[in-house]
Amino acid sequence: GAGVSQSPSNKVTEKGKDVELRCDPISGHTALYWYRQRLGQGLEFLIYFQGNSAPDKSGLPSDRFSAERTGESVSTLTIQRTQQEDSAVYLCASSLQYNEQFFGPGTRLTVL
Amino acid sequence: GEDVEQSLFLSVREGDSSVINCTYTDSSSTYLYWYKQEPGAGLQLLTYIFSNMDMKQDQRLTVLLNKKDKHLSLRIADTQTGDSAIYFCAELADRGSTLGRLYFGRGTQLTVWP
Repeated sequence: GAGVSQSPSNKVTEKGKDVELRCDPISGHTALYWYRQRLGQGLEFLIYFQGNSAPDKSGLPSDRFSAERTGESVSTLTIQRTQQEDSAVYLCASSLQYNEQFFGPGTRLTVL
Repeated sequence: GEDVEQSLFLSVREGDSSVINCTYTDSSSTYLYWYKQEPGAGLQLLTYIFSNMDMKQDQRLTVLLNKKDKHLSLRIADTQTGDSAIYFCAELADRGSTLGRLYFGRGTQLTVWP
């Protein structure tokens, strides 16, 4: 596709359940980023992939959060045992040159 | 980590100019950005400026960078109701283990009145 896509666009889950969020970057973009946007806040960096490896995982808020990327393409962000404080919009971005990141529309996660 | 600050709200009348301000802390940042977010949408890259520039103009948008004061501004000329959105300032971490991270401000909600 022409841009970064994310699915689902909305996810409502119960506290304690696991969720998987998917990101399809722009074709050919080697770098992929995940950010979190809590209500009324700026974006908070979570993790960065260069190819299939993640040189920087330091933004993941707890060990309940993990991410993987396969085929230098699709990435999945997994949140285990979700908590109410995990409710946020999760945004994915991709880039060819590290200085120009293009964002997807986000997944709005609501944990009840 | 880096700290990016911006005012939270700005209201202007249609046709006036809007100026959104931002301050940042990392003097070594080489790129600074403005993103636009409309309701329910992702972030749209509006423009960015390299740190060796003082000004960048792109149609109705003018970005001014004062490196000494670590101050970035976005001026929108002839503001339209369609410009109503949240505008995020961001700086790029471009060295070391944080290479490629963007650090964002909390966003400025621009409201344009007809």
